[in-house]
Amino acid sequence: DGGITQSPKYLFRKEGQNVTLSCEQNLNHDAMYWYRQDPGQGLRLIYYSQIVNDFQKGDIAEGYSVSREKKESFPLTVTSAQKNPTAFYLCASSPASWGFYEQYFGPGTRLTVT
Amino acid sequence: GENVEQHPSTLSVQEGDSAVIKCTYSDSASNYFPWYKQELGKGPQLIIDIRSNVGEKKDQRIAVTLNKTAKHFSLHITETQPEDSAVYFCAATVLSGYALNFGKGTSLLVTP
Repeated sequence: DGGITQSPKYLFRKEGQNVTLSCEQNLNHDAMYWYRQDPGQGLRLIYYSQIVNDFQKGDIAEGYSVSREKKESFPLTVTSAQKNPTAFYLCASSPASWGFYEQYFGPGTRLTVT
Repeated sequence: GENVEQHPSTLSVQEGDSAVIKCTYSDSASNYFPWYKQELGKGPQLIIDIRSNVGEKKDQRIAVTLNKTAKHFSLHITETQPEDSAVYFCAATVLSGYALNFGKGTSLLVTP
């Protein structure tokens, strides 16, 4: 099956710990994205990558870091510097970083930090 | 940057009625407007999209209209069914491959 996988579905961490969320796609898409979703809010962009070994900050990048060493993988690290990390995190991919292409979303990871 | 406003935040209709969700955008350069449906605990899925060179697009019970002059676009769902109940998001961007700017979502409830 082709698609985007995010693991785990639920993640619990203690305050002060870094945590890495996994995102893998087998769609051969060039572009990948991380969004954060809070109750009653739209999706807000954290980071995006248009090509391997390159990525750009989104609107709320502070306290997060990413890497794009392989085309199919775009992990997100939530660092202890992120003041309010509890949220639903969504990864997406798109065939290209230009043109009119649909963004495909993964099932999401719900992170709870206490 | 682009700012997308979406209304209403909640919408309740009876099965068989129509539902309309409206969005406005601020950046006149935006030219791609997708609509996503998100069911509880899942990632959003594209249901319909429209480009700025088209005024209206229809796919079975779903239609989207775009008014570039007024900078607003709307989602129309006819003959609603209980399985249409979900959160719907509009979005806008200059090109779809770039990051999308989302509205805050509309929670639609279709009651039998």
